[in-house]
Amino acid sequence: DADVTQTPRNRITKTGKRIMLECSQTKGHDRMYWYRQDPGLGLQLIYYSFDVKDINKGEISDGYSVSRQAQAKFSLSLESAIPNQTALYFCATSDSGTSGSPLTDTQYFGPGTRLTVL
Amino acid sequence: QKEVEQDPGPLSVPEGAIVSLNCTYSNSAFQYFMWYRQYSRKGPELLMYTYSSGNKEDGRFTAQVDKSSKYISLFIRDSQPSDSATYLCAMSALGGTSYGKLTFGQGTILTVHP
Repeated sequence: DADVTQTPRNRITKTGKRIMLECSQTKGHDRMYWYRQDPGLGLQLIYYSFDVKDINKGEISDGYSVSRQAQAKFSLSLESAIPNQTALYFCATSDSGTSGSPLTDTQYFGPGTRLTVL
Repeated sequence: QKEVEQDPGPLSVPEGAIVSLNCTYSNSAFQYFMWYRQYSRKGPELLMYTYSSGNKEDGRFTAQVDKSSKYISLFIRDSQPSDSATYLCAMSALGGTSYGKLTFGQGTILTVHP
């Protein structure tokens, strides 16, 4: 089984709808991240969470919200979807337990959710 | 100007060629440098990581960091069609506002044709 799973894998929705993307991990990592990927722009950080009670905005958090329900679960919500939120969304995890080594910042990605907002 | 710049390509090479992928950056606090590979319709996966300046080799792949020039490279020797993917450089700092976060380049699309 995959260590980082995302649901749904594909979603088509209409402008104004509320959408939730879910991420679960079995890696036992404490840090989780949400990114969006657009052609030519690479990965842009939306939100990140260093533990269940610590949630922070990334570069492009406007229009998004998150919930860290447990160490293993991190959800991303689009309260009122708009067409320019059409993108590929990735969840990632990392382990702060390797503090002081390059592995601290190594992130492990899920398979992605392709979201289309019409 | 983006903190990390990467030529998006696309890059097309014949099988067996040596491939050079590059990124430049502006934040001198970056200490850890990584290369991720992303196959079509998949999430990025870590390919190599290096700390500070120098070279690191892993099979056909060599990662090179030149902190004085703020420039990193990934070399692929004897490239194979299975190397066809998007390659993303990523960087992080030990502290400050970048702590625990990665900054990614735009990704370079590589195609190796038989």
